[in-house]
Amino acid sequence: EIVLTQSPATLSLSPGDTATLSCRASQSVSTYLAWYQQKPGQAPRLLIYDASNRATDFPARFSGSGSGTDFTLTISSLEPEDSAVYYCQQRAYWPPEISFGGGTKVEIK
Amino acid sequence: EVQLVESGGGLVQPGRSLRLSCAASGFTFDDHAMHWVRQAPGKGLEWVSGINWNGGTIGYADSVKGRFTISRDNAKNSLYLQMSSLRPEDTALYYCVKDRQGPGGDFWDWGKGTTVTVSS
Repeated sequence: EIVLTQSPATLSLSPGDTATLSCRASQSVSTYLAWYQQKPGQAPRLLIYDASNRATDFPARFSGSGSGTDFTLTISSLEPEDSAVYYCQQRAYWPPEISFGGGTKVEIK
Repeated sequence: EVQLVESGGGLVQPGRSLRLSCAASGFTFDDHAMHWVRQAPGKGLEWVSGINWNGGTIGYADSVKGRFTISRDNAKNSLYLQMSSLRPEDTALYYCVKDRQGPGGDFWDWGKGTTVTVSS
């Protein structure tokens, strides 16, 4: 089973700051990694796929990088509406296995 | 517009069964794998099960293997999750999720979810 470890658990930043979120896999997932954004009371939304491709709904302030076991989601010029929990997810071994990280909560003060 | 509408959730006693359904529209259903993802109250996301376009490939999380069965009916544009031997730890919001086109394994469109509560 691939375990994804996200850090930090919580990130408290100010508008205009840059957020750097980490996702580490217990073994290589190549670039088969996605990121999701979930706001309170809402379903998650696909944000980044294949490690670095941004979904069409999201602005260029969001970017993903990494391969193998180490991945980063960067949110530049933070805005209040970026407050959310961000999850990474791997599909390298689908089928039959898929797994999520535990999430990073981004708070904008 | 993609629409995924879950139904079938509710309150059920431990050990009992429940069947979730997902009605899909706005896309070619049999072009995509489909999944169930759940979220326990106040917790993170957990992939539960997935099924490829024709039902020939299926996967389950270890936590539900042997108790849950995923299926689909492409003629009805519908996805199902038969849940048996339910446990309190199965209490969660269950999302129906559409995969990308092709080999898949990530989650491009989500329903609003249906709530399952397992309690005596």
